[in-house]
Amino acid sequence: KNEVEQSPQNLTAQEGEFITINCSYSVGISALHWLQQHPGGGIVSLFMLSSGKKKHGRLIATINIQEKHSSLHITASHPRDSAVYICAVRGVEYGNKLVFGAGTILRVKS
Amino acid sequence: KAGVTQTPRYLIKTRGQQVTLSCSPISGHRSVSWYQQTPGQGLQFLFEYFSETQRNKGNFPGRFSGRQFSNSRSEMNVSTLELGDSALYLCASSLAGPDYSPLHFGNGTRLTVT
Repeated sequence: KNEVEQSPQNLTAQEGEFITINCSYSVGISALHWLQQHPGGGIVSLFMLSSGKKKHGRLIATINIQEKHSSLHITASHPRDSAVYICAVRGVEYGNKLVFGAGTILRVKS
Repeated sequence: KAGVTQTPRYLIKTRGQQVTLSCSPISGHRSVSWYQQTPGQGLQFLFEYFSETQRNKGNFPGRFSGRQFSNSRSEMNVSTLELGDSALYLCASSLAGPDYSPLHFGNGTRLTVT
């Protein structure tokens, strides 16, 4: 069982749909990162969270520390949002190492 | 501002050889971390350096080593290469480390071991 669980593994959406990607972890953390990786491309950091909610354009990230859960929302999805979205957590109980989820492959169709 | 630069972009090596990969962080960033990405294992943490000191090391054998220089540039070395070391190696820099500031990734070095 992965220490960081992401769901769904694969997601296909129609352009314009609201998308939610979930990330669950098992122990207390100091920070959670949401990353985006395009095919053949590098990795871009979308958000770094330790509490609450952050918004950037059409992207929203939330974290619930008590429930050990974070969500990444994409509003009004667009084909250019097609990418792999990866959640990563760090904390003392993870040995202060960044631990990654397996990623969610998102495909947005026009 | 220039981004994180990794060199070389591609590398082909033979089993048993050694390899050195380089990472130049964003100017002013003191934290550099290294990651291995493979189709089977996904992204895995290798090392983290801050101001020339290794702060953390992942669960990789001793053949994997790294260092950071006074100008924050970092290198990682893999000795006695094995076929399983074939991967995309990514480095990321941040102002103060992954607990406090976002990560900025380089485009990676794709290593193929034959």
